[in-house]
Amino acid sequence: DADVTQTPRNRITKTGKRIMLECSQTKGHDRMYWYRQDPGLGLRLIYYSFDVKDINKGEISDGYSVSRQAQAKFSLSLESAIPNQTALYFCATSDLSSGDTQYFGPGTRLTVL
Amino acid sequence: RKEVEQDPGPFNVPEGATVAFNCTYSNSASQSFFWYRQDCRKEPKLLMSVYSSGNEDGRFTAQLNRASQYISLLIRDSKLSDSATYLCVVTPRGGSGNTGKLIFGQGTTLQVKP
Repeated sequence: DADVTQTPRNRITKTGKRIMLECSQTKGHDRMYWYRQDPGLGLRLIYYSFDVKDINKGEISDGYSVSRQAQAKFSLSLESAIPNQTALYFCATSDLSSGDTQYFGPGTRLTVL
Repeated sequence: RKEVEQDPGPFNVPEGATVAFNCTYSNSASQSFFWYRQDCRKEPKLLMSVYSSGNEDGRFTAQLNRASQYISLLIRDSKLSDSATYLCVVTPRGGSGNTGKLIFGQGTTLQVKP
């Protein structure tokens, strides 16, 4: 079984809808991250969490919110989706024992019409 | 200016060729450096860390030049399976040391042809 899983893997939605992307990990890592990837822009950090009570904004947090429900779960919400949030979204985990190495989930492809 | 810059390519090379990618970073206080590999529509995976003294892993050699703020990746004897996007990754140094965050370049695409 994969160590970092994301659901859904693909989602098509309409402008204005609320969307939640979920991430779960079995690696026992404290740190979790949400990124989006757009062609030509690379991966950009949306939010990150270093433990259950810690939430931090990343480079591009506007229009997104997160919840760290447990050490193993970190969800990303788009309160009112807009077309320029169409992207590939990745969750990642790390902890002090992994150094700076991050382990990524398989990604969620989100299309906002 | 982007914090981490790479030539997006694509680099098209024949099997067996040697190919090199460079990457520059803007933050002189950057702490750690990596190359990640990303296959089409898949998640990034760590290829190798980059150390100041340079390091090698099989056909792959990574170099770091802190004075010039660039990182390189050399692939020898290219295989078809090396076709992927290679992401240059840097960790910034925060006020209390390593922030745990990664800054990604946009990636360089390599296509190895038979």
